[in-house]
Amino acid sequence: NAGVTQTPKFRVLKTGQSMTLLCAQDMNHEYMYWYRQDPGMGLRLIHYSVGEGTTAKGEVPDGYNVSRLKKQNFLLGLESAAPSQTSVYFCASRSTGKREQYFGPGTRLTVT
Amino acid sequence: GNSVTQMEGPVTLSEEAFLTINCTYTATGYPSLFWYVQYPGEGLQLLLKATKADDKGSNKGFEATYRKETTSFHLEKGSVQVSDSAVYFCALSDGYSGAGSYQLTFGKGTKLSVIP
Repeated sequence: NAGVTQTPKFRVLKTGQSMTLLCAQDMNHEYMYWYRQDPGMGLRLIHYSVGEGTTAKGEVPDGYNVSRLKKQNFLLGLESAAPSQTSVYFCASRSTGKREQYFGPGTRLTVT
Repeated sequence: GNSVTQMEGPVTLSEEAFLTINCTYTATGYPSLFWYVQYPGEGLQLLLKATKADDKGSNKGFEATYRKETTSFHLEKGSVQVSDSAVYFCALSDGYSGAGSYQLTFGKGTKLSVIP
């Protein structure tokens, strides 16, 4: 039981490049979330999904897109990366009826 | 909207000292409250939780009590160890944001360093 996994662990992009971050969970959780963590800011919600085929915007959605084609996977896309998107990205999931979320190990992204 | 305020760090303690990290919150409705811990280079791990007023969450020697009257959820540990060095996040979840998605609202985190 791997829990929540994220790919890749590290990535460096140039401004304007695109990439996709993959989150996978093997706990059969309905809900999945993408956060970014910046120094002194805590974690801020980017997008979330309440089930397969659904997505919704969080607190800081601009510049990101997401897809949830399979229940176990939640993809975060950056179409045209900007230096302001340099951050550590965390994926999380939770089950229906529970409020606690379980987090992946994170992806450290640097945009130059 | 919801918000969580926790004491700013960093906090440096000697081994076996008593730890308190203050956390207060503002929320609509009746939130659940959490403490998460982040060790260097890792993701967040759930440390403890409380789902209703007067509940006490506890784990690994850490405790926190859900105080509705003071809207607080302070984290305590009686005797810290070097291995407790990490960043601690207070968070809340209620059903009044994000169309019932029970989003987590986090404090900014408190970095704890424990020296031998």
